[in-house]
Amino acid sequence: DTAVSQTPKYLVTQMGNDKSIKCEQNLGHDTMYWYKQDSKKFLKIMFSYNNKELIINETVPNRFSPKSPDKAHLNLHINSLELGDSAVYFCASSQDPGGGYGYTFGSGTRLTVV
Amino acid sequence: GNSVTQMEGPVTLSEEAFLTINCTYTATGYPSLFWYVQYPGEGLQLLLKATKADDKGSNKGFEATYRKETTSFHLEKGSVQVSDSAVYFCALDQAGTALIFGKGTTLSVSS
Repeated sequence: DTAVSQTPKYLVTQMGNDKSIKCEQNLGHDTMYWYKQDSKKFLKIMFSYNNKELIINETVPNRFSPKSPDKAHLNLHINSLELGDSAVYFCASSQDPGGGYGYTFGSGTRLTVV
Repeated sequence: GNSVTQMEGPVTLSEEAFLTINCTYTATGYPSLFWYVQYPGEGLQLLLKATKADDKGSNKGFEATYRKETTSFHLEKGSVQVSDSAVYFCALDQAGTALIFGKGTTLSVSS
């Protein structure tokens, strides 16, 4: 009954590979997000989708491509992985952005590029 | 643009000590303010929130008051426990943007 679930939890891969991270929420929220947390714990928004439509696309390399097949799922595909992509990636969802409800986060995917 | 500034850590305290983690924000309009906590190896959990000026959010002994005049949302707890050791993030949310986080403050409590 996990509210926001991400898979995999850990991902170790070589430079140049392509990988995907999946996210699913069962809260009925319309909006989902991807955040990147670097080694200093800083959290930065990458993408946001509202009901399958991209609404926020921060300055992220175009090797990163989000896909939302339906409003309960938001996946992140990364092409040609680089060492600097190593980080923890968090998926989140919200009921009403800006409405004061806050976000519910997944437990994160730790990506290590070697 | 909107931003959140919180005190640099780490903060190291003995059990039962008083905790304050400072947070100030810059925003146009009236954002909602949050504190999130991240325990080692876990995701972020909402700790408390306040949606308008002078609101006080509270949870698990933690408190923070939304002060518009000083654009602040400082986190306090009267008596910390070892189990409170974690990273604490101040954040703001406003319509049209995604949740914006401060850089996080690591709290370490020893017995």
